Amino acid sequence: QKEVEQNSGPLSVPEGAIASLNCTYSDRGSQSFFWYRQYSGKSPELIMFIYSNGDKEDGRFTAQLNKASQYVSLLIRDSQPSDSATYLCAVNVMNYKLTFGKGTLLTVNP
Amino acid sequence: GAGVSQSPSNKVTEKGKDVELRCDPISGHTALYWYRQRLGQGLEFLIYFQGNSAPDKSGLPSDRFSAERTGESVSTLTIQRTQQEDSAVYLCASSFYRGVNTGELFFGEGSRLTVL
Repeated sequence: QKEVEQNSGPLSVPEGAIASLNCTYSDRGSQSFFWYRQYSGKSPELIMFIYSNGDKEDGRFTAQLNKASQYVSLLIRDSQPSDSATYLCAVNVMNYKLTFGKGTLLTVNP
Repeated sequence: GAGVSQSPSNKVTEKGKDVELRCDPISGHTALYWYRQRLGQGLEFLIYFQGNSAPDKSGLPSDRFSAERTGESVSTLTIQRTQQEDSAVYLCASSFYRGVNTGELFFGEGSRLTVL
């Protein structure tokens, strides 16, 4: 079983809609969870992190964590064409080794 | 510079040659990672350095791959006898070590390796 799983997409949403990106992980001992955004041809950049169960909001972005279900999600409200990118879920599984999912390609259509 | 610096940005080599990739992390970052990203794929962990601790080499795909780091500064990733399947972007990242919350990685622009 893969350690971090994401739907590869592509996920296509119209401008202004809510984009919902999902991620599951296998290691129950995982402590911290991260969402990275990667534009085509560029390196990943951190956009959100969450350590505790529940929701964490930052501007148009909300990260949601449910450790019992081993599930973490990212919601993007009022999606913009500039949000079009691959979103990588990452999990700290061994206190330092960040394991990434394969990413979900998001396309926001004007 | 303020960010993670990698060189070369692009490397084309012939099968069987050795290549060396360099990473200069952000000053003060004790943790340094190498990842590999094949075209259209996710990030594959290769190796992790933290301060003076023994590196975690568990992600290196074969004994043709090796990496070194001098103290808390520059790291080099060496691939010997390159094969076509080694073609990928090699990403270096650095971070402060925060124990279980370590994960705020700053990535370099990557070194794109093409093996002909």
